[in-house]
Amino acid sequence: RKEVEQDPGPFNVPEGATVAFNCTYSNSASQSFFWYRQDCRKEPKLLMSVYSSGNEDGRFTAQLNRASQYISLLIRDSKLSDSATYLCVGRGSQGNLIFGKGTKLSVKP
Amino acid sequence: EPEVTQTPSHQVTQMGQEVILRCVPISNHLYFYWYRQILGQKVEFLVSFYNNEISEKSEIFDDQFSVERPDGSNFTLKIRSTKLEDSAMYFCASSETGVHQPQHFGDGTRLSIL
Repeated sequence: RKEVEQDPGPFNVPEGATVAFNCTYSNSASQSFFWYRQDCRKEPKLLMSVYSSGNEDGRFTAQLNRASQYISLLIRDSKLSDSATYLCVGRGSQGNLIFGKGTKLSVKP
Repeated sequence: EPEVTQTPSHQVTQMGQEVILRCVPISNHLYFYWYRQILGQKVEFLVSFYNNEISEKSEIFDDQFSVERPDGSNFTLKIRSTKLEDSAMYFCASSETGVHQPQHFGDGTRLSIL
């Protein structure tokens, strides 16, 4: 089983839509979790950490289900500026980040 | 907001040459990392560094690679005898403390091996 798996997309949605990304992880990538976004040919930028209790930051909500080894990201009222690749990231026991391949989102006017 | 800075932004090198990629982590951060991303592929961990020594490295980080913190601010990645397949974006990252702190990335060095 791959360490962090994501649907590669692309997700093409209209402005204002709600979109959800899912991710599964293996035991080797299970210390902690994050969502990063990456614009084309740019560095990954931290979007939010993911906690078992779920957490929300404005239009973004992240959930972690340890029993199912499943992580989600919900984006409400999507904006054109949300267009990017969203990286699901786990963490190994030594602190190294383990990246998924990313899910590409295109928000259209 | 403090940020991780990397130089150069683009490095073009002949195969077989040595390159040094430079990073200045955020000043109060204690943990430093190098990652790479081959075009079209996922970001891959190379090495982590804490307290002036390597704390973890991946199977990619073989004898061709080395890291150093030559002074109080710089963190370097050296690649000896470069190969075509070393062409990638190389990202430096740092985190404040502990295994669970988020890592902040520099904007990367694009390495092109000819």
